[in-house]
Amino acid sequence: GAVVSQHPSWVICKSGTSVKIECRSLDFQATTMFWYRQFPKQSLMLMATSNEGSKATYEQGVEKDKFLINHASLTLSTLTVTSAHPEDSSFYICSARRWPRNQPQHFGDGTRLSIL
Amino acid sequence: GESVGLHLPTLSVQEGDNSIINCAYSNSASDYFIWYKQESGKGPQFIIDIRSNMDKRQGQRVTVLLNKTVKHLSLQIAATQPGDSAVYFCAENIERTNFGNEKLTFGTGTRLTIIP
Repeated sequence: GAVVSQHPSWVICKSGTSVKIECRSLDFQATTMFWYRQFPKQSLMLMATSNEGSKATYEQGVEKDKFLINHASLTLSTLTVTSAHPEDSSFYICSARRWPRNQPQHFGDGTRLSIL
Repeated sequence: GESVGLHLPTLSVQEGDNSIINCAYSNSASDYFIWYKQESGKGPQFIIDIRSNMDKRQGQRVTVLLNKTVKHLSLQIAATQPGDSAVYFCAENIERTNFGNEKLTFGTGTRLTIIP
């Protein structure tokens, strides 16, 4: 199997709060994890690529200081949305991939983030 | 630039019939393609993948066809069931040597509705 767990599923918080989202590969080791953002009725947009033990690579237009990514182990990556504002409200989804490359990414069930 | 697009945003199929979902891609250098199914409020679920050295691959009730000449990808679902109702995304995996990693680019998605 290739199960990816994402937690929490829902977060509602006040503007200015920082929110941490966890992504875990439960039954395999993931050297690389990815973070996506999805707006309603739209496709997934890659935000950043997270490699275990190294700094994340961010896509153009994604603020590194706003979206902090840590990939401390082969089974866990975290995304922290710092000082969240209403425009950060979205569906955040992580994925994980086994080594080597050119294998399917397996996705978590996403985190619905609502900033009031 | 890269883009992956779908010809039809919605598709309705009678239960038991076969369905075909189409996808066009623009990057001829892409060598790996994946189809995902996304149900409401969940993350994408891997269905089937295909590498560029193949033109057809079959799974359980699903077949993916790849035509590199016209840069076209299709997903065939046989004997559709109500549980097949979802949004289907094709995704194109692109190696990025300047980034040192790959990027999965998703199409816009097709909503498949199975009519009982």
